[in-house]
Amino acid sequence: NAGVTQTPKFQVLKTGQSMTLQCAQDMNHEYMSWYRQDPGMGLRLIHYSVGAGITDQGEVPNGYNVSRSTTEDFPLRLLSAAPSQTSVYFCASSFMGFGEAFFGQGTRLTVV
Amino acid sequence: QQQVKQSPQSLIVQKGGISIINCAYENTAFDYFPWYQQFPGKGPALLIAIRPDVSEKKEGRFTISFNKSAKQFSLHIMDSQPGDSATYFCAATNAKAAGNKLTFGGGTRVLVKP
Repeated sequence: NAGVTQTPKFQVLKTGQSMTLQCAQDMNHEYMSWYRQDPGMGLRLIHYSVGAGITDQGEVPNGYNVSRSTTEDFPLRLLSAAPSQTSVYFCASSFMGFGEAFFGQGTRLTVV
Repeated sequence: QQQVKQSPQSLIVQKGGISIINCAYENTAFDYFPWYQQFPGKGPALLIAIRPDVSEKKEGRFTISFNKSAKQFSLHIMDSQPGDSATYFCAATNAKAAGNKLTFGGGTRVLVKP
């Protein structure tokens, strides 16, 4: 039972580069979300989705895009990486609302 | 603007002691308050959660106390063990709202010394 799988686990980007963080869940959860974790800031919501084809912005959406073409996948795209996007990114999914969320292992991203 | 404020940022407790983490929220629409536990290099995992219709919930050595009038809730870890060393996050959400979203506190790093 894989749960929520994120790839890659680590990534170093140069400023201005773009990339996609992958997230897949096998629990048939309707709700999926992306968070970034920075020291002392907790986890801040970037984007979320309540089902295939439906996405919305969270607290810190600037510089990121998402799409949800299937129930299983919810990729996060960095359009033009900036040092301020250096962070640990977590994808999460849940079945009934966002309370009981299951998190992936995270992607540690460094932008130089 | 952080809608859920968590304190302390870190704490050290001896094995067998009690760890107490406090959170305060502003949004009165919040109606579900989970706590997540995160070990280094791992994603957060749901530990325990409470709804505002009860003042306390206990699961093993972990207890949530909830004060609706003060808009505060806290996590107590009784008989703390070295394996409890982790970062703990409180969170809040309006579970009934469409597309409800978790709002997290800043986290508390707990170190339990043997």
